[in-house]
Parts: sequence; C-alpha cells; structure tokens
Amino acid sequence: GDSVTQMEGPVTLSEEAFLTINCTYTATGYPSLFWYVQYPGEGLQLLLKATKADDKGSNKGFEATYRKETTSFHLEKGSVQVSDSAVYFCALRTNQAGTALIFGKGTTLSVSS
Amino acid sequence: DTAVSQTPKYLVTQMGNDKSIKCEQNLGHDTMYWYKQDSKKFLKIMFSYNNKELIINETVPNRFSPKSPDKAHLNLHINSLELGDSAVYFCASSQSSPLRNEQFFGPGTRLTVL
Repeated sequence: GDSVTQMEGPVTLSEEAFLTINCTYTATGYPSLFWYVQYPGEGLQLLLKATKADDKGSNKGFEATYRKETTSFHLEKGSVQVSDSAVYFCALRTNQAGTALIFGKGTTLSVSS
Repeated sequence: DTAVSQTPKYLVTQMGNDKSIKCEQNLGHDTMYWYKQDSKKFLKIMFSYNNKELIINETVPNRFSPKSPDKAHLNLHINSLELGDSAVYFCASSQSSPLRNEQFFGPGTRLTVL
C-alpha cells in the first residue's frame, strides 16, 4: 500500500542553520504531496504542497520539490528561527475524491537561539 | 473566523462512558474526515464523508460511529470508552477536486480516558 517515510528526529539546530528533513514515498499513480506543521498544543497547518512531478512548493521560507525519479519530497529552509520549532509531517494523497492523507511519523524540530 | 472548529478541546472521562466530539467547517468543503493522533504523534485516518456519504471506514472498532447531518458537520460518537482510546482526535475538511485537495484541520480534541 501507499506509505510515507520521514527521517527520524528529533532534529536540533541553532538559529540561522540550514534545515533538511528527508521524506520519501511509495504510491501507485501520481499522488499529491504535502508538508504539514504542528506547533505545540495546536492542530496541523498546511505548510506547502505539490501536485505533480518537478513542482516546487514554498511557504514561509520553506521549500520542497516533488521528485518522481527518487520518490522524494524533502523539506528545506535556508535559515531556521526559534519560532520554527514544531513537528513536521510529510503526507501524500491520491487524487481520488474523498481519499485521506497518509502521513509519515513526523519529525520534531527544535531550534535554539 | 475559524475554518474548522471542534468541541470540546479537552475531554476527560471514565472507562465505559459514551462521549461525542463535534466538528464544523465553514469553508464550503464537501468532504470531511476524522483522524486519530496517538501518543507518539502518529496520525491515522479513521473515517471520511463526502457529501454526507461515508467514503472511508478504516479498521476502527464499531464503538466509534461517525455521523454527518449535513456537509458542514461531522460528529464522532464513541461508546464504551476504553483506556486505549486516549488520543488527540482531529477533524479535517477538503474539496473533492483533485486540483484543490488540501485538507484543513481543526485544533483537535484531546481525549483522556481514566
């Protein structure tokens, strides 16, 4: 079945460091790919998405490129801030009506000043 | 304006009780979902409804019963609560269009069963 694999955390960085969180997927067909972020005590917020191969999603300085050849959707940010501390989830969804998101296990990011 | 809202935010109850969680969305979406997040933060789909029709019903105990009175509401009723039901339950909604299929989540309901 379809699945998402994320790098295990926690990831601990100093402010202004470069961030990469790896995400690879297994799916039949051509799913849409997403990154969601969950701040402490809150719900999930959509961070960015890509719906087809070579699409780049970007938001708030974060970027991820849909790589069909490597089945990957790695999240990157050039300079992290303390406020980026959160849990990041990679997810996929097939393009049929009503289908649910399949999530990776989440990666906890902790940024210190 | 809250897009997807859930009530209550916290729910503490005894084993064996019956409880409900309510969800409402004002985004005009036609599909709604319930997800469960366990203590290790893992998220898994439980149910989804499209235009009030049940689309996804994952392997969930039949003590859990979703109900969608209209497209804007999806409630979750849980009978005979067990310790293992303790988790955070998230409601979400989306359009069924493949091009606008991102899901928007509510703030979650933290259920604690004692």
